[in-house]
Amino acid sequence: DAGVTQSPTHLIKTRGQQVTLRCSPKSGHDTVSWYQQALGQGPQFIFQYYEEEERQRGNFPDRFSGHQFPNYSSELNVNALLLGDSALYLCASSSGFGYEQYFGPGTRLTVT
Amino acid sequence: AQSVTQLDSHVSVSEGTPVLLRCNYSSSYSPSLFWYVQHPNKGLQLLLKYTSAATLVKGINGFEAEFKKSETSFHLTKPSAHMSDAAEYFCVVSDPGNTPLVFGKGTRLSVIA
Repeated sequence: DAGVTQSPTHLIKTRGQQVTLRCSPKSGHDTVSWYQQALGQGPQFIFQYYEEEERQRGNFPDRFSGHQFPNYSSELNVNALLLGDSALYLCASSSGFGYEQYFGPGTRLTVT
Repeated sequence: AQSVTQLDSHVSVSEGTPVLLRCNYSSSYSPSLFWYVQHPNKGLQLLLKYTSAATLVKGINGFEAEFKKSETSFHLTKPSAHMSDAAEYFCVVSDPGNTPLVFGKGTRLSVIA
């Protein structure tokens, strides 16, 4: 049984560019949450998707957007990249709301 | 809003000695509390969780934590450290219902041979 998978593993972008990160949830899970983990910090909640809709959102600007597909996989898009967007982006999946979240290995984004 | 304070950014112990990682939380409700571990280049793994059942929670790999409401604490302990325990540990709080996980800043555990 595959756990949560994320792609790509690493990514280098230039300021002002746009990036798309991808996540496949654990088998049987229908809810996906995204977190940003800056260097030396704990993960911060970006948003959560369930039934292809954004259900909750953390304190992140509109440059951060997402999507969930019918197969429950999800994308995180970040527009107009800033140096401060450099971080590890983690995807977590769960079976519905309020249940244990399983995390993927993350995508390391570097903005130069 | 809920919050978490991990009292030590770095803890260093000798192999075979006890581990204590300290965590205080703030919540207006009866929260759920978690400890996650993050090894380098790996995802976060759940060690244990408290969800208003027994106050002493046993987790994987010999770790346990005690919920103390009067002290708003949820410290993580292990009787005997192993080299493989060296990692980053996060204390996490979540209010009831579908509320996002709120992470502390993490405690880096080093284990010395």
